[in-house]
Amino acid sequence: SQTIHQWPATLVQPVGSPLSLECTVEGTSNPNLYWYRQAAGRGLQLLFYSVGIGQISSEVPQNLSASRPQDRQFILSSKKLLLSDSGFYLCAWKKAPREMANEQFFGPGTRLTVL
Amino acid sequence: AQTVTQSQPEMSVQEAETVTLSCTYDTSESNYYLFWYKQPPSRQMILVIRQEAYKQQNATENRFSVNFQKAAKSFSLKISDSQLGDTAMYFCAFMKGGSQGNLIFGKGTKLSVKP
Repeated sequence: SQTIHQWPATLVQPVGSPLSLECTVEGTSNPNLYWYRQAAGRGLQLLFYSVGIGQISSEVPQNLSASRPQDRQFILSSKKLLLSDSGFYLCAWKKAPREMANEQFFGPGTRLTVL
Repeated sequence: AQTVTQSQPEMSVQEAETVTLSCTYDTSESNYYLFWYKQPPSRQMILVIRQEAYKQQNATENRFSVNFQKAAKSFSLKISDSQLGDTAMYFCAFMKGGSQGNLIFGKGTKLSVKP
């Protein structure tokens, strides 16, 4: 069976500090991978998605970047955090489009507080 | 661009009763998928039910069922025999068929099940 991991679970960082959030998927190969952000009391906003190693698409221009160094690893980064980067970050995976299944499966999330 | 609207920010229901959550969407696509996700206090996003737009039959998963009205672009979720564990945020989501799987979420409905 497939599982998705995210770490850290909780993070408190000062403004201007760097950020690295990691997501890994087990039990599948060549998944599509996604980073979402959920601000307090709001829905999910897609930040980045990737269809393969080194392939990153950005949905929202901002202070963040993403990378996919390995097939089942997805990293969200920032060089200098802003207060507005606070939120709940969710990673998700999905079988590639050629597969019949279309739903996304989410990780447990990382709660980021920027002070 | 596609949009998803959930017009009920909060709802409550008595245990064992039935509740319906509303969702409308706007798209010019003919091939798409619709989902309901549940986010309990743990904040783990859990898929509740999915509907393919080309299927006329409404999807059902145990106590959860949908009323999919394609012409009206409506996709409501009915929860029967509500249980305390159903207390959560519920998000309606849209995905264009043949895409890389990017989900567009509504802002969510907070459902409270009361004993």
